Amino acid sequence: GDSVTQMEGPVTLSEEAFLTINCTYTATGYPSLFWYVQYPGEGLQLLLKATKADDKGSNKGFEATYRKETTSFHLEKGSVQVSDSAVYFCALSDQGAAGNKLTFGGGTRVLVKP
Amino acid sequence: EAGVVQSPRYKIIEKKQPVAFWCNPISGHNTLYWYLQNLGQGPELLIRYENEEAVDDSQLPKDRFSAERLKGVDSTLKIQPAELGDSAVYLCASSLGTGHQETQYFGPGTRLLVL
Repeated sequence: GDSVTQMEGPVTLSEEAFLTINCTYTATGYPSLFWYVQYPGEGLQLLLKATKADDKGSNKGFEATYRKETTSFHLEKGSVQVSDSAVYFCALSDQGAAGNKLTFGGGTRVLVKP
Repeated sequence: EAGVVQSPRYKIIEKKQPVAFWCNPISGHNTLYWYLQNLGQGPELLIRYENEEAVDDSQLPKDRFSAERLKGVDSTLKIQPAELGDSAVYLCASSLGTGHQETQYFGPGTRLLVL
């Protein structure tokens, strides 16, 4: 079945540091890939997505590239801010009989210190 | 545009009691999802609706959980009776269509504590 594996947190870094959160996936078809973010006390929000191989999703300074050959969708940001402190979830949606069902990774908590 | 609305935001009940959660999706979104999120984990799908029809309820524990989406808009998720292990966050999401590339929009969730 489908699965998503992402690096465990917490990840603690200083403001303006470079952030990478690794995400790899297993899917039977050709999935769409998503990064969702959950800020403290809030619901899940879509951060970015990519729907086919080599697509790059980007938003708010974050980027992730759909790498089919390595089945990866790593999230990166060049210079983080305190406001980026949140839990980040990698997810996939496979094009199969299951329809639009999101399969999530376990989440990575990121803490940015001033 | 209003997002996905859920109520209540928090619920504390004793075990063996019933509980219900309500969700109002984004206007015009035909597909509605209920997810369960345990502490420190990613959400897991419980049930997916396309309009009024439950098209995927394979992960819904049908002995105690039930859901309905009358008229294809609002939805209610019920647990009866609740168990200690049901303590979690229950998330509702909606999407415009059903393709795998569609974005799902999530509500704030209902945090359930069963004592």
